This record gives sequence, structure tokens and C-alpha cells, in this order.
Amino acid sequence: GAGVSQTPSNKVTEKGKYVELRCDPISGHTALYWYRQSLGQGPEFLIYFQGTGAADDSGLPNDRFFAVRPEGSVSTLKIQRTERGDSAVYLCASSLNGNQPQHFGDGTRLSIL
Amino acid sequence: GQQLNQSPQSMFIQEGEDVSMNCTSSSIFNTWLWYKQDPGEGPVLLIALYKAGELTSNGRLTAQFGITRKDSFLNISASIPSDVGIYFCAGQPGAQKLVFGQGTRLTINP
Repeated sequence: GAGVSQTPSNKVTEKGKYVELRCDPISGHTALYWYRQSLGQGPEFLIYFQGTGAADDSGLPNDRFFAVRPEGSVSTLKIQRTERGDSAVYLCASSLNGNQPQHFGDGTRLSIL
Repeated sequence: GQQLNQSPQSMFIQEGEDVSMNCTSSSIFNTWLWYKQDPGEGPVLLIALYKAGELTSNGRLTAQFGITRKDSFLNISASIPSDVGIYFCAGQPGAQKLVFGQGTRLTINP
């Protein structure tokens, strides 16, 4: 597709469960970013990939959060032992390289019951 | 951590009016960007600014990168109903990640 694609668009799960959120960046974009957006707030940075490697994971809140990008394209954000406070919209963005503007997907709205 | 102060938090205007919003930071940024977000969608890039003092237009939108590199503003001229939404400024400190403001919610009365 032409833009950043995120699946699922909505995810509802119970506290304590494991979730995976997928991001398919714009074709050819080497840089990929994950952000988290709480209601009424701006997005907050989680992690940045350049190619297959995580160049900056300083925004991950704790070790329950992990992300991979094994082939340098699709990325998966993984959250273990989910907590109600993890409920938010998780946004993915990509850019041609780290110096070009970031383009966002429509996000995954995660609700932890 | 780095903080961006975006103001105003909300605006209620009449269709046809001009709009102005701004962001300030305690830190220097190498790049400033402005995004618009509609409900249920991701932020959409409006304007990117790369040099201190730069003034850039995109249709009815004009944005400037402050000389001190710690602030930016966005103006919208002759507002129309489709301008409704939440506008976010974002600064890029050079480490690739974006730092976002809290957003300005724009409401337009027809």
C-alpha cells in the first residue's frame, strides 16, 4: 500500500495477556518508529529502528515491552503481562531514512480490561 | 525529559477567521514539524522546517522555525470546516525521535 499500515486497528484483551501489534511501513523506508498516544495527549516515543536494529529504545517504559524488525521492513511491538495502564493508541511511523519526515499509520487502539 | 509547550490548548473560531498557534521548548531542536490528527486516524504531516528562521507555506498554512531554535508557530488563513482537528507540533532534537506538544484542538463554527 501507499501508506503505513497497522494491524489490528483495535485490540481488546484482558489484563495479564500477551499482545502483538504489527506495522508495515511505506515501501523503501529504512527508518521505523513506534509511539504511544494516551487520550488527550501527543504521541510519546517508544523505539526507533534503522534497518533491522533498534537504534534507540529509550522510550520503552519497562521490560514488558519489546519490538522487533527482523527483515528491516515489517515490525512487531510485543507487550507481555499487559496492564490496564497499557491502554492507549499505539502509532507506527516510517521515514525514508532517519533524517526525513516521519509518516504515521492510523494506529492500533489497545484496550486492556 | 524534553517538553514542548503548545498553546492554545483549544480554539473556537468562526469560519473564515485566521488561526495562530505556537510551540516553545526548553531545548534546541534541529527540525520542527507540524501534524494534524483527525479522530481515529494517525497524525498527517503538514509542514516540516529544517533551518532556524525558515518560513514555509503549504496552501493556507504557514509555519516558521524560530531563530532561537526553541520555538515554532503555525498560522492558518481563512479557516474552512475541514480544518477542524487537533494540531500537533513536534521537535526533532537530532536523535531521530520526535517530541510532541500536547496539541491544539481547533473547532470551527460555520
